[in-house]
Amino acid sequence: DAGITQSPRYKITETGRQVTLMCHQTWSHSYMFWYRQDLGHGLRLIYYSAAADITDKGEVPDGYVVSRSKTENFPLTLESATRSQTSVYFCASSEWGTNTEAFFGQGTRLTVV
Amino acid sequence: AQKITQTQPGMFVQEKEAVTLDCTYDTSDQSYGLFWYKQPSSGEMIFLIYQGSYDEQNATEGRYSLNFQKARKSANLVISASQLGDSAMYFCAMRENVFGNEKLTFGTGTRLTIIP
Repeated sequence: DAGITQSPRYKITETGRQVTLMCHQTWSHSYMFWYRQDLGHGLRLIYYSAAADITDKGEVPDGYVVSRSKTENFPLTLESATRSQTSVYFCASSEWGTNTEAFFGQGTRLTVV
Repeated sequence: AQKITQTQPGMFVQEKEAVTLDCTYDTSDQSYGLFWYKQPSSGEMIFLIYQGSYDEQNATEGRYSLNFQKARKSANLVISASQLGDSAMYFCAMRENVFGNEKLTFGTGTRLTIIP
């Protein structure tokens, strides 16, 4: 099916473990974004990518790593999860252009215990 | 500094009334885009409306319109004849070009509750 999908939808992990959230889009959009959503903070940009092998930091990149070896995939890795990284994570994709809207995945609810 | 500011954490509006959700933004770019998204309790992000920085007319999409005041750097969302299904979180966002890359930044959101 065409679209943008995130996996897993729900994840519980322990402090200190590495965890990877997956994001896959089928539109061949140039841009992909990762956000975290926390009460009172809205959506905060973690990392974004303009194309394969091009990534850039957003507002809250510390503790996260991204890669984009293929246009359609943009995994987000928490190298050593902390409780403060408990959040809902959204991936989005869009075409080039400040006039193009972003399409969002369903979100991943991550709990770090 | 906040790029997108939404000063209304929550709003309660009577059904069928119009409602305005405030959004101000900060950018030094001349070319940028402004977006509004809706997030119902189910969690998905739904695109509502777009306004370009060079657009002279305010954008409209059905019951949604965007009150764009460029000099004030504001892009308020107006929902006419509100319905119960409009109860949701609403996010304002800005897309700007930062050193050749296009960043998409969101505000903190406004939770709108429509009262029957």
